[in-house]
Amino acid sequence: KNQVEQSPQSLIILEGKNCTLQCNYTVSPFSNLRWYKQDTGRGPVSLTIMTFSENTKSNGRYTATLDADTKQSSLHITASQLSDSASYICVVTDNYGQNFVFGPGTRLSVLP
Amino acid sequence: NAGVTQTPKFQVLKTGQSMTLQCAQDMNHEYMSWYRQDPGMGLRLIHYSVGAGITDQGEVPNGYNVSRSTTEDFPLRLLSAAPSQTSVYFCASSYSGNEQFFGPGTRLTVL
Repeated sequence: KNQVEQSPQSLIILEGKNCTLQCNYTVSPFSNLRWYKQDTGRGPVSLTIMTFSENTKSNGRYTATLDADTKQSSLHITASQLSDSASYICVVTDNYGQNFVFGPGTRLSVLP
Repeated sequence: NAGVTQTPKFQVLKTGQSMTLQCAQDMNHEYMSWYRQDPGMGLRLIHYSVGAGITDQGEVPNGYNVSRSTTEDFPLRLLSAAPSQTSVYFCASSYSGNEQFFGPGTRLTVL
């Protein structure tokens, strides 16, 4: 069964610190992997997208990595800000392009 | 562009009542979908549509109906609400398998 797992379930860090969120998936065939940020009470918004051939993709202070062999991805947040407090969702799309498999998300809280 | 809009933002129903959640997009996207989001779980696909006149079931379709008469609109109908349908509902649209754009969500409580 196609699944996406994320860890940790929740994370608390101090403002200015770095953190890394993990995503493991079993979706096959694989098309792409996205990280979304979901602020409380809002819909998810795309941060990065990575295809099979890409290892790293950056978007400002967000850097995503992908290891297609081990089917793992990570999202690294540098110099965290209070506005980074949100849920981060990993989503994997299959090769047919219409099956989006969502992870449960990691809830990040950044404290002053 | 307004993107993806959803109405209402909040709704409280009694068991057995019916209602329609509205979703509209102005990006001319072919693909639209409805998800529900429950605590501790990933978004789960209820129904989706790959174009006007074409709909299909997702992972959790029971208790929900959809139709797609135009490219822009994709309403979700609850025919007889149940407490198990208490959730936050998101509508999303995309062009084929590309980035999905999500609406702001509808928070539904069924008493």
